[in-house]
Amino acid sequence: VVMTQSPLSLPVNLGQPASISCRSSQSLVYSDGNTYLIWFQQRPGQSPRRLISKISNRDSGVPDRFSGSGSGTDFTLKISRVEAEDVGVYYCMQGTHWPWTFGQGTKVEIK
Amino acid sequence: EVQLVESGGGLVQPGGSLRLSCQTSGFTFSSHWMHWVRQTPGKGLECVARIKNDGSYSDYGDSVEGRFTISRENAKNTLYLQMISLKVEDTAVYYCVRDDLSYGIDYWGQGIPVTVSS
Repeated sequence: VVMTQSPLSLPVNLGQPASISCRSSQSLVYSDGNTYLIWFQQRPGQSPRRLISKISNRDSGVPDRFSGSGSGTDFTLKISRVEAEDVGVYYCMQGTHWPWTFGQGTKVEIK
Repeated sequence: EVQLVESGGGLVQPGGSLRLSCQTSGFTFSSHWMHWVRQTPGKGLECVARIKNDGSYSDYGDSVEGRFTISRENAKNTLYLQMISLKVEDTAVYYCVRDDLSYGIDYWGQGIPVTVSS
């Protein structure tokens, strides 16, 4: 399954919203009815950190300015107001079809 | 606190072998599927292998099938990745990653670099 993210680079002003798109080459709905779409954040020099799972479930400790949405093959990660600590690369990943696959990553930077 | 600490990486010649280890703590290791994921600047993130919590089942990515073997020792809370017939394109940072059973992979180790070069 090919995961395609856009844009690949996203310069944003502090306090402004940001939106990242992720599209899959086939439906990510699993046989159990769940859609295993995950968003990760990778800050410079760090390992990836999970932000959101099953499209829209935010992990504990993740600020509520992060939100996920979508269905089927089309998904979005939104940051309502970008803060300096949000700088990094964001990846979507599908956990429905093995081998699980990742998007190319979207680099978020401050203008 | 969940901790995943990889070791065993380094420089190896093409055709060589290497064994990665991942020492875990802070959770019930024997209850979780575990994964190895690698990252390169060129190809990005790639799922390498996964193993069921009791070790009875494993899956591999297409590019490593037949060359890599994932295993685990639940008594030692440790995950392994045996890599043979290494190729230049296996050069990457390898991460040990936990599966949280319900939502997918969650915690990642700090990563260990593997360089395949003559």
